[in-house]
Amino acid sequence: DTEVTQTPKHLVMGMTNKKSLKCEQHMGHRAMYWYKQKAKKPPELMFVYSYEKLSINESVPSRFSPECPNSSLLNLHLHALQPEDSALYLCASSQDDRPAGELFFGEGSRLTVL
Amino acid sequence: AQSVTQLGSHVSVSEGALVLLRCNYSSSVPPYLFWYVQYPNQGLQLLLKYTSAATLVKGINGFEAEFKKSETSFHLTKPSAHMSDAAEYFCAAFPGPDDKIIFGKGTRLHILP
Repeated sequence: DTEVTQTPKHLVMGMTNKKSLKCEQHMGHRAMYWYKQKAKKPPELMFVYSYEKLSINESVPSRFSPECPNSSLLNLHLHALQPEDSALYLCASSQDDRPAGELFFGEGSRLTVL
Repeated sequence: AQSVTQLGSHVSVSEGALVLLRCNYSSSVPPYLFWYVQYPNQGLQLLLKYTSAATLVKGINGFEAEFKKSETSFHLTKPSAHMSDAAEYFCAAFPGPDDKIIFGKGTRLHILP
C-alpha cells in the first residue's frame, strides 16, 4: 500500500469547473511535489513545496494553483482547464527539505477535461 | 545539462529469461541514480538507488543495477522475468542538492508467456 494518498482517483470536469486534487502523507516528509504525466511519457515536475513553502514552480499556468495547508497535506486547485490538461497528476513526497531523488509517489489522480 | 537516456522504448522478453533495461546518463560528476517502476494505472515506485556506496545495487522484486562510471551507465537487470514484471520502467538521475530529478523517457517491459 502506498503511503501517499491521493483523492480522487478519477476526475472529469468541464472547462468552466473548479475542482481540487488532494494529497496526504504521514511519513513526516518535509518536501511535497506535484507532477503531471501524459500517456507514455515520464512525469513532469510542476511544483515543489519545502516546509510548506513553495520552493519550485516550473512555469505552470495559473489555472493550476497549489496549496500546502500543513506538512501532511498538499492540494492542487484547478480552474478553467483546457482539454490538453487531461493527464495523470501524481503527488510525491521526500524526506529531505530540498528537492530530492528518492521520491514516494501516490497512485495518482486521473483527470479528464471535457 | 544533465540528461538520462534509456535505450529502447519497448523491450520484450520471455517469461524466465534475463531482463536487461539500459540507462545512460550524461554528467562529468556521477549523480545519484534511480530506477522507478510504474505498473498500469499506478504511481511510480522506487526499485533501487545508487548513492555511491556500492556499484552493484540490489533492489526489490529481484532487480539489480550496476553503476559503471567509465560507461556512464546504470543498466537494470533481473535474472528471470516474471509476468508480474510487465510495467513501465524509468531511469532517473539526481544531480545534487537544490536541483531536481531528471527522468529518462521510460522503457515498457513486455513479458511473453
